[in-house]
Amino acid sequence: QVQLVQSGAEVKKPGASVKVSCKASGYTFTGYYLHWVRQAPGQGLEWMGRINPNSGETKFAQKFQGRVTLTRDTSITTAYMDLSRLRSDDTAVYYCATAGNSLYFFDFWGQGTLVIVSS
Amino acid sequence: EIVLTQSPATLSLSPGERATLSCRASQSIRNYLAWYQQKPGQAPRLLIYDASNRATGIPARFSGSGSGTDFTLIINSLEPEDFAVYYCQQRSNWLFTFGPGTKVDVK
Repeated sequence: QVQLVQSGAEVKKPGASVKVSCKASGYTFTGYYLHWVRQAPGQGLEWMGRINPNSGETKFAQKFQGRVTLTRDTSITTAYMDLSRLRSDDTAVYYCATAGNSLYFFDFWGQGTLVIVSS
Repeated sequence: EIVLTQSPATLSLSPGERATLSCRASQSIRNYLAWYQQKPGQAPRLLIYDASNRATGIPARFSGSGSGTDFTLIINSLEPEDFAVYYCQQRSNWLFTFGPGTKVDVK
């Protein structure tokens, strides 16, 4: 079965960076885009960007251009999201997600990684 | 950026009633729309994709319709486990955005 397993919670200071991993299994890792979505406490869902695990090509929401880096290691079927210059309003649960039968939407989700930014 | 608006913000209904949720796009997105359900402390779950196709394992009481700018999610005969927040999402031009959500709660 498809599984996306994310790294554990992080506490960071403002101005620092955080790197979240997403280990994929149960499907062809290079077959579907891998997306990142975040959700601030009590708020809605926000799409950040996605990576094509096959080519490494990325696309971002304008809000995150220049501050988010998406990478992947196909040898261990793991994707990474690196967010720099953290601010308090980056405190959120960060999810990775990928498609399945829908081909382009988010059939499968990781369990989420809580990132707290606090001085 | 395409903006999605959802209405109502909150829908208060009783089990067994029918829920009708609306999602409107700021410009045409053809049928590039999905619906998700999210319960507290859980990741979202895909319900509907391409406006009207039920995702794997989703009960038939969930149905989606619409194209262009106006979309609807209907939940026929609400079950206790259906009380949750529902988000629409679009994927036009390979940039994705979510609507702000509709909370379906118990009346």
